[in-house]
Amino acid sequence: DQQVKQNSPSLSVQEGRISILNCDYTNSMFDYFLWYKKYPAEGPTFLISISSIKDKNEDGRFTVFLNKSAKHLSLHIVPSQPGDSAVYFCAAILEGGYNKLIFGAGTRLAVHP
Amino acid sequence: GAVVSQHPSWVICKSGTSVKIECRSLDFQATTMFWYRQFPKQSLMLMATSNEGSKATYEQGVEKDKFLINHASLTLSTLTVTSAHPEDSSFYICSATQGSIQQFFGPGTRLTVL
Repeated sequence: DQQVKQNSPSLSVQEGRISILNCDYTNSMFDYFLWYKKYPAEGPTFLISISSIKDKNEDGRFTVFLNKSAKHLSLHIVPSQPGDSAVYFCAAILEGGYNKLIFGAGTRLAVHP
Repeated sequence: GAVVSQHPSWVICKSGTSVKIECRSLDFQATTMFWYRQFPKQSLMLMATSNEGSKATYEQGVEKDKFLINHASLTLSTLTVTSAHPEDSSFYICSATQGSIQQFFGPGTRLTVL
């Protein structure tokens, strides 16, 4: 049973526009959520995180929004750049889960000129 | 800072042989290291959690006798795939943490078993 779901396998956005990547989860005991970016044949790199007690966290062009009642979070990238083209993974950590990450399936973002 | 390396980056081996993959934290001491595998176009699946000086904790469905993990120091963990078979072909990724929620990932190792 997938506890973290990214239902859109791919997203295409024009350079300069906003990219919105979505993630849904089923377990209300998650207390941290993280977004990672991954290029082919490389390990994921950390982008941004959010605690379950917050509803928004911003870092430069990246903003993560958390809607606990809907068990939904989203990553906004604005403005999108061609270098943002990669696979984005949403991940969650269970409360008391020894920092083990549970990953979604990923969304491939393509930013075109 | 916070660089994690893996060696080798890719390996091809014959069925039945064993393969060792190293994961090193280069500029920090990692209290915990994690091992993941990723099949094509799928997510990263946690295989095991490794703490220095103690036995690894394996996730459900992961054979501990097949995937041997040794965490000998605060900067090195190794994953040995024993008696590898073609179905073990995958992308293996390690990560390291100093105890915070943030994990630093290695570049991954592509294993192909013929």
